[in-house]
Amino acid sequence: QLVESGGGLVQPGGSLRLSCVAYGFTFENYAMHWVRQAPGKGLEWVSAISRNSGSIGYVDSVKGRFTISRDNAKNSLYLQMNSLKPEDAALYYCATLSTTGDYWGQGTLVTVSS
Amino acid sequence: EIVVTQSPATLSLSSGERVTLSCRTSQSVGGLLAWYQQRPGQAPRLLIYDTSNRATGIPARFSGSGSGTDFTLTISSLEPEDSAVYYCQQRFNWVTFGGGTKVEIK
Repeated sequence: QLVESGGGLVQPGGSLRLSCVAYGFTFENYAMHWVRQAPGKGLEWVSAISRNSGSIGYVDSVKGRFTISRDNAKNSLYLQMNSLKPEDAALYYCATLSTTGDYWGQGTLVTVSS
Repeated sequence: EIVVTQSPATLSLSSGERVTLSCRTSQSVGGLLAWYQQRPGQAPRLLIYDTSNRATGIPARFSGSGSGTDFTLTISSLEPEDSAVYYCQQRFNWVTFGGGTKVEIK
């Protein structure tokens, strides 16, 4: 019900734009989140955006480098990632993290290496 | 930032045993504490929200309790399919996940 894309191999300092498309539920009714998981590691919340984009938050380690956005008309969530660092390498999930409907994608893999 | 700490890091138990996982937050989270299960190769799934409410379709052997800064996930009788990593998560101030507890079946 959530399908991510846009991951890939990028050099340190480079940029990527992740996308997530929602199917089968009313996207505009949910705040949306990006959560990442480095290989063999735990879950780390990255960013969130409210239903109308009026409230946005980031984990400290990505502030000033990542930008979250959404387009409710396209049922889509985005994450613009700039100035990428090796420690940003992870599987990036989009998710609702909602008590009324907890939906996760299967993730898109970001590799940061020269 | 609210720090979330889970213990232990790993548990190895037999089927049928009772399992207790602990989660501590660095400040009160107003009961806004959830538990997720992640099986290998899968996305996480919500088990418990707001301390003690089971998510849709979650078996009754899973229960949550706690208050303030200390929370517990209990599996009353461990099943083989419960082998997974369990994460607690606070949503009082944005979102933070704990480091996880890996539950292994002997």
